[in-house]
Amino acid sequence: GAVVSQHPSRVICKSGTSVKIECRSLDFQATTMFWYRQFPKQSLMLMATSNEGSKATYEQGVEKDKFLINHASLTLSTLTVTSAHPEDSSFYICSASLLGHTDTQYFGPGTRLTVL
Amino acid sequence: GNSVTQMEGPVTLSEEAFLTINCTYTATGYPSLFWYVQYPGEGLQLLLKATKADDKGSNKGFEATYRKETTSFHLEKGSVQVSDSAVYFCALSGNTPLVFGKGTRLSVIA
Repeated sequence: GAVVSQHPSRVICKSGTSVKIECRSLDFQATTMFWYRQFPKQSLMLMATSNEGSKATYEQGVEKDKFLINHASLTLSTLTVTSAHPEDSSFYICSASLLGHTDTQYFGPGTRLTVL
Repeated sequence: GNSVTQMEGPVTLSEEAFLTINCTYTATGYPSLFWYVQYPGEGLQLLLKATKADDKGSNKGFEATYRKETTSFHLEKGSVQVSDSAVYFCALSGNTPLVFGKGTRLSVIA
């Protein structure tokens, strides 16, 4: 149980375009979803926390107008990278947790974004 | 604030060798402690966890004991396999979302 999927797994886009990444909890209702960014050979950096039906809470230094997060249902959250640039190229990972159990997160397989 | 410090890698071991990856933490209160594993090109998988002092988490031959007196949660495995090659992340969760260490890359050679 507790499976989280991400789509797409890889995406290549041109500079200036927008890219949407989906994160789905397949067999449970995720009241809270997290979005992370991972640079090569480095740890995960938390970008934002989103609770279903409310605005995401962004970490310091993360541009909320560039990284749009929507958590419209208990099984789906999306991250849209707007006007992408090469420096946005990275591995984006989402995770989901159950109501009252945010200390245990279930991670998606990640999305590798390459901006040309 | 909360933080996690892991031993730097990479760690290269021969098959069947003993593995220890050190992890220490700084936190207020009583955090839960976790080890996550990331295989090449994949997301993170929870390997094991411990929620209170002296708890031992174990899974797939890996173990880690929550040591409050030394603020440590070292990961151990008695006999590693080539399939254990991955990056291992120590993490803690207190009143904030998960805080991760920088990760330790393990390579096991046959």
